[in-house]
Amino acid sequence: GENVEQHPSTLSVQEGDSAVIKCTYSDSASNYFPWYKQELGKGPQLIIDIRSNVGEKKDQRIAVTLNKTAKHFSLHITETQPEDSAVYFCAAFGLTGGFKTIFGAGTRLFVKA
Amino acid sequence: KAGVTQTPRYLIKTRGQQVTLSCSPISGHRSVSWYQQTPGQGLQFLFEYFSETQRNKGNFPGRFSGRQFSNSRSEMNVSTLELGDSALYLCASSLYRGNTDTQYFGPGTRLTVL
Repeated sequence: GENVEQHPSTLSVQEGDSAVIKCTYSDSASNYFPWYKQELGKGPQLIIDIRSNVGEKKDQRIAVTLNKTAKHFSLHITETQPEDSAVYFCAAFGLTGGFKTIFGAGTRLFVKA
Repeated sequence: KAGVTQTPRYLIKTRGQQVTLSCSPISGHRSVSWYQQTPGQGLQFLFEYFSETQRNKGNFPGRFSGRQFSNSRSEMNVSTLELGDSALYLCASSLYRGNTDTQYFGPGTRLTVL
């Protein structure tokens, strides 16, 4: 079935460094790719999204890139801060098998002060 | 504008019991999706409701069911609870069809089955 793979599962960076999380998807018909941040005790919060007709999108310190040919998309966080520490999920909206959003397994990001 | 609310926030049940969880979407949102989140399986799609009709369903047994009311509030029910049903149940609302539009998640209901 449809699948989204996310790497790495854990990422530890020093404050001020950049963090990159990568995802691949299997459904070539996928056309919407949101990223969510989940803090302890809270539900996932949308931080940025990209649609298949766009290759890159940036919002302040956060950027997402999409390579449709390779079926890859990535989240880039620059100038990381301790408050960026959380679990990040990528997701892909797939059309195959019915409209549904498939989530990656998550990346636990630690930003060390 | 108030966010997505879920009640109760925590539940403890025993095997064999049934449970009903409630979700109130953001005002004006018509689509509600439900997800199960576990450490081992991540976020798994349960079902989506739009205009009181189930539009899509994930790969869960028939013990998992849901419904949506005319005010867009939604409930999900799990019957004959099993230990493996222990999880965080999240609902997400969106303005239109959930999976083609930005979804906003609630804080979740933590269900523990003993």
